[in-house]
Amino acid sequence: DAKTTQPPSMDCAEGRAANLPCNHSTISGNEYVYWYRQIHSQGPQYIIHGLKNNETNEMASLIITEDRKSSTLILPHATLRDTAVYYCIVRPPLAQKLVFGQGTRLTINP
Amino acid sequence: GAVVSQHPSWVICKSGTSVKIECRSLDFQATTMFWYRQFPKQSLMLMATSNEGSKATYEQGVEKDKFLINHASLTLSTLTVTSAHPEDSSFYICSATEDSMNTEAFFGQGTRLTVV
Repeated sequence: DAKTTQPPSMDCAEGRAANLPCNHSTISGNEYVYWYRQIHSQGPQYIIHGLKNNETNEMASLIITEDRKSSTLILPHATLRDTAVYYCIVRPPLAQKLVFGQGTRLTINP
Repeated sequence: GAVVSQHPSWVICKSGTSVKIECRSLDFQATTMFWYRQFPKQSLMLMATSNEGSKATYEQGVEKDKFLINHASLTLSTLTVTSAHPEDSSFYICSATEDSMNTEAFFGQGTRLTVV
């Protein structure tokens, strides 16, 4: 499975955009990039996923570089409830399981 | 999104006893479910993959005789921690997917196991 690298922690002011980077330089052409988050003492929550094109949903936007070696998750207007650990995961196409790395602990400050 | 429910949310048991944790997909059929374990301040560690009607596939280093997994139906998988010890105290989380091709996995809320 392709490995991902994320900063261990980040801070962001409430109301501002939170931009969470992820490096996946060994990603294969058919592997998807998934983002999940885990709020303290809860199960992970799906956020978004993509292959090549940028994606947007009601929670976030996913920007994938043209070479697909990195991506950025954008929370456009962060709130205190967005404080969580965010996981970037590369998933092979025929594999259902998700293998979690260490993630980024995002703290939204008032 | 789809709902995956775990029960119980938390459990305290004595050393040497067994504990069963249930994972249910409430509004979809899950041919495959996954069990994770998470220690404090650590990431989720995949323990095993549970396929309906067949034996579970365990990750390296996970004792299959200690962590018994049953996936008897398309909506239910159970994890039984046998002869529990204090070092088994952890947060156990299940997830389920509807099919095999790049759909998101949905996670239960987790079960906090404390062995005393």
